[in-house]
Amino acid sequence: SAVISQKPSRDICQRGTSLTIQCQVDSQVTMMFWYRQQPGQSLTLIATANQGSEATYESGFVIDKFPISRPNLTFSTLTVSNMSPEDSSIYLCSVSGLANTGELFFGEGSRLTVL
Amino acid sequence: DAKTTQPNSMESNEEEPVHLPCNHSTISGTDYIHWYRQLPSQGPEYVIHGLTSNVNNRMASLAIAEDRKSSTLILHRATLRDAAVYYCILRDNNFGNEKLTFGTGTRLTIIP
Repeated sequence: SAVISQKPSRDICQRGTSLTIQCQVDSQVTMMFWYRQQPGQSLTLIATANQGSEATYESGFVIDKFPISRPNLTFSTLTVSNMSPEDSSIYLCSVSGLANTGELFFGEGSRLTVL
Repeated sequence: DAKTTQPNSMESNEEEPVHLPCNHSTISGTDYIHWYRQLPSQGPEYVIHGLTSNVNNRMASLAIAEDRKSSTLILHRATLRDAAVYYCILRDNNFGNEKLTFGTGTRLTIIP
């Protein structure tokens, strides 16, 4: 299994500011993903964080709004830029295991509230 | 991505079996059927997955129809801790396509 730590676990932010969320995994993993879960909704994939190259974004998400870094096989960051109240969500990091068992592991999430 | 259809909500009595259905009529030959659940205020956690044959693990059983167009997650004896949103997801296991696309899921309520 993989243990995922996300920071911050929650934050309250002002409109127009940016916040960077960190995702640290206790072992090297092949795939890392970032999801958003808006209040009362299901999870939506934002992007796949690629090690050593630009992230792959899903439809409706762009790099200028959600820049992602992945400098190595155990760490990634997601920045939510120029925040508005509509960005108030839980942001979750997810990873796939090295053994490719088909299982994805999720962090506890980072709950952002934008005022 | 192939789509799944699940009931929005279900209720079950504590200590009774629970059968959570999922329809996936457009499933392709390389799609695995995955089940995850999300407990309140937590990230999703893996429950089980399968391709064609029925699967059992310590958490649940997965029954897959012969034509693979539907499946059922079986919790053999529900506890209060099993109250969660259960997601049935089709996932292409080919390298590079491991992402999960979540639907709306089934909210399971356990009645004491």
